[in-house]
Amino acid sequence: ETGVTQSPTHLIKTRGQQVTLRCSSQSGHNTVSWYQQALGQGPQFIFQYYREEENGRGNFPPRFSGLQFPNYSSELNVNALELDDSALYLCASSLVSRGANVLTFGAGSRLTVL
Amino acid sequence: AQSVTQLGSHVSVSEGALVLLRCNYSSSVPPYLFWYVQYPNQGLQLLLKYTSAATLVKGINGFEAEFKKSETSFHLTKPSAHMSDAAEYFCAVSDSNYQLIWGAGTKLIIKP
Repeated sequence: ETGVTQSPTHLIKTRGQQVTLRCSSQSGHNTVSWYQQALGQGPQFIFQYYREEENGRGNFPPRFSGLQFPNYSSELNVNALELDDSALYLCASSLVSRGANVLTFGAGSRLTVL
Repeated sequence: AQSVTQLGSHVSVSEGALVLLRCNYSSSVPPYLFWYVQYPNQGLQLLLKYTSAATLVKGINGFEAEFKKSETSFHLTKPSAHMSDAAEYFCAVSDSNYQLIWGAGTKLIIKP
């Protein structure tokens, strides 16, 4: 089975620009979650998508938005980039079912905002 | 609200020594608990999970964790550290919406 793949792996943007990060879910998974991990910190939940609809959101402003496609791949869009948006962005897919929701993570996209 | 506390941002042990990484949680409902490992420049990989079955959970790479409800703890242990265990370890608890609440992480350093 294929794992979770993310692109690009690294990118550099300037303040005010917009960025789109992409994620392909693991085969058979129907839910995708996005996390922001700043240097030296744990992941912070951005949002989760299930059946192409947002299914939960963390404490992030509306300029963070997402999409989930019929093939369960996903995008994270960030508008009006700020310096504090510099972080590793992690995508995780899972199969929602009764019980523990085990996440399979991609390797992440490292965003640097200058 | 659920939360996770990992004691010690850095833990240093000698190769071959016992590894103990501490995790305490707060939860108003029976929790699902997880340990993930993150190697440099990589995503997170599941080590083990507690899902209300056996309180002692065995994971990959020789790690195990014990759920202690009375202490609200889920500490991670390994009897003998390997150099390859050097990484950052995250404890997480699942809330009622199956979203994970994460600890701040503990960086494990292995001394030769």
